Amino acid sequence: AQSVTQLDSHVSVSEGTPVLLRCNYSSSYSPSLFWYVQHPNKGLQLLLKYTSAATLVKGINGFEAEFKKSETSFHLTKPSAHMSDAAEYFCVVSHAGNMLTFGGGTRLMVKP
Amino acid sequence: DVKVTQSSRYLVKRTGEKVFLECVQDMDHENMFWYRQDPGLGLRLIYFSYDVKMKEKGDIPEGYSVSREKKERFSLILESASTNQTSMYLCASSPSDTMNTEAFFGQGTRLTVV
Repeated sequence: AQSVTQLDSHVSVSEGTPVLLRCNYSSSYSPSLFWYVQHPNKGLQLLLKYTSAATLVKGINGFEAEFKKSETSFHLTKPSAHMSDAAEYFCVVSHAGNMLTFGGGTRLMVKP
Repeated sequence: DVKVTQSSRYLVKRTGEKVFLECVQDMDHENMFWYRQDPGLGLRLIYFSYDVKMKEKGDIPEGYSVSREKKERFSLILESASTNQTSMYLCASSPSDTMNTEAFFGQGTRLTVV
């Protein structure tokens, strides 16, 4: 069975400081992993995905994530937060038939 | 540009009403999904369909049914709406020709049952 745990329900950073959103997963086989972002009153947009190629994955808007199999983690980072990054972020694992299992979400707040 | 369109952004319905949520995708995707989103719980799968007239239960199907008569359209039906079905509902689609590809999401329908 697959599961995803986002370790922080809320993260608050100041503009210009680094962002770290933590995600741990469990999967019975080699997973594909995704990060989606949801801005207020909008649908979900794909930030980046890992599908067993390079373990460091670069996404849109300066975000990246590193797949660490030994730690079963897929943390999302960005060197410098921008006000427009304020949103909810979902870590997602994909399994058979393109079924997605979502984490509980992390709400990122960015202070000026 | 890929598109998943949900027919309503906001709906208010009364307890006991039959409610239809419609979703259309223009990408010729085989897979379509309905999720509900609640704070702290992420997205939970209600039903999915991998082909016309085919459907499979997800994690929380109770109180819901679905219909897929055409490839591009996937409807979620609340047979008798209840207040605990007040939530954000998200439709998604994905192709079936490659494993572990991402899904594309609609804007969501915020349903309030009073």
